[in-house]
Amino acid sequence: DTGVSQDPRHKITKRGQNVTFRCDPISEHNRLYWYRQTLGQGPEFLTYFQNEAQLEKSRLLSDRFSAERPKGSFSTLEIQRTEQGDSAMYLCASSQGQGTYYGYTFGSGTRLTVV
Amino acid sequence: AQSVTQLGSHVSVSEGALVLLRCNYSSSVPPYLFWYVQYPNQGLQLLLKYTTGATLVKGINGFEAEFKKSETSFHLTKPSAHMSDAAEYFCAVSWFDGNQFYFGTGTSLTVIP
Repeated sequence: DTGVSQDPRHKITKRGQNVTFRCDPISEHNRLYWYRQTLGQGPEFLTYFQNEAQLEKSRLLSDRFSAERPKGSFSTLEIQRTEQGDSAMYLCASSQGQGTYYGYTFGSGTRLTVV
Repeated sequence: AQSVTQLGSHVSVSEGALVLLRCNYSSSVPPYLFWYVQYPNQGLQLLLKYTTGATLVKGINGFEAEFKKSETSFHLTKPSAHMSDAAEYFCAVSWFDGNQFYFGTGTSLTVIP
């Protein structure tokens, strides 16, 4: 068990480019979550998967954002046509069972800078 | 509506002194309450949680918190600060029928030698 892994750790991209982040949860965890954290703020919920099904999406997840978890294991978060306002830390977390009761295990995050 | 309020975005204490980080929530239904810690360039780590049962909960690294329903508070304390406690601390709430946490804006703890 190596914890929740996120790749890359840092990404610098030009405005308008597409970016994709990957998250590998703890292998036995069936639930996976994406959060966004901007400077000086707490994390904000983006979306949640149970196995391969995306069960909940925040209104923060605009049409430019898409998340997948194709085989119920790793997940990807894609941002199309990036904007400067997308600059943030993107955090992935996983849990076995109800994470909001037991708590999540977070990854170290992917820091996105849009220039 | 703001669900979680953390009073004091920055707290400084001397090494060995009491640590008190404040968290208040607003909800008509008692939530589940959590404290997470975040070290620089790291993800969040669960410190402790209250879901049901005893209102005084103990967590890792000597931290504890007490759920006070009448005050809608869940303050985090540690009797004696250590240099390694310097980090960002987040209070978070959730509910039994929800799938997400609502986090406060965080409190940055500085420990002065």
